[in-house]
Amino acid sequence: QQQVKQSPQSLIVQKGGISIINCAYENTAFDYFPWYQQFPGKGPALLIAIRPDVSEKKEGRFTISFNKSAKQFSLHIMDSQPGDSATYFCAASKASNYQLIWGAGTKLIIKP
Amino acid sequence: DSGVTQTPKHLITATGQRVTLRCSPRSGDLSVYWYQQSLDQGLQFLIQYYNGEERAKGNILERFSAQQFPDLHSELNLSSLELGDSALYFCASSVGLAGSYEQYFGPGTRLTVT
Repeated sequence: QQQVKQSPQSLIVQKGGISIINCAYENTAFDYFPWYQQFPGKGPALLIAIRPDVSEKKEGRFTISFNKSAKQFSLHIMDSQPGDSATYFCAASKASNYQLIWGAGTKLIIKP
Repeated sequence: DSGVTQTPKHLITATGQRVTLRCSPRSGDLSVYWYQQSLDQGLQFLIQYYNGEERAKGNILERFSAQQFPDLHSELNLSSLELGDSALYFCASSVGLAGSYEQYFGPGTRLTVT
């Protein structure tokens, strides 16, 4: 019930294309869903986050889509660029919990 | 630069040894988290401290321990090291206690056990 399942494990997208990474969760008490981006040799950094009271949040080329009934959320990267090549982690938490539950990560490669 | 510092950057040691990893959180942050990331693996949450007290425990081995000091810096102690402990160890900090606060990650300590 505490797991967050992330897919795909790896993804190759052409420059200019749309990258889509999906996450699914079981615990309906989760109320905070962030995405973190990690470049090689660096620590992860918060990219964008959403709460379940909205179905979509957009920041520049990055969009989170949230489907509460399906217990799924996804990250869309529009006009993907080689500089977006990184590992992306989804995560979830609930207000009464002190930790994030992390997905396994997706290694994204954008081909020029 | 996240504002979180970790030392050392690299550490090479032999099996059976003990090492200490150090983390200084961002100014004003009270929560410190420790994570382990093996090669091409995800993030494994180890432990969280908030203002000096342990608040959450993940998949932390009994051979590992941590503490947070009054000045809020934290240390992760790894003992009786095994080859499988070779990994990147990240420290993160956040201003609050809950998981919904943004976590700022340090650059990591790469531990190699030979």
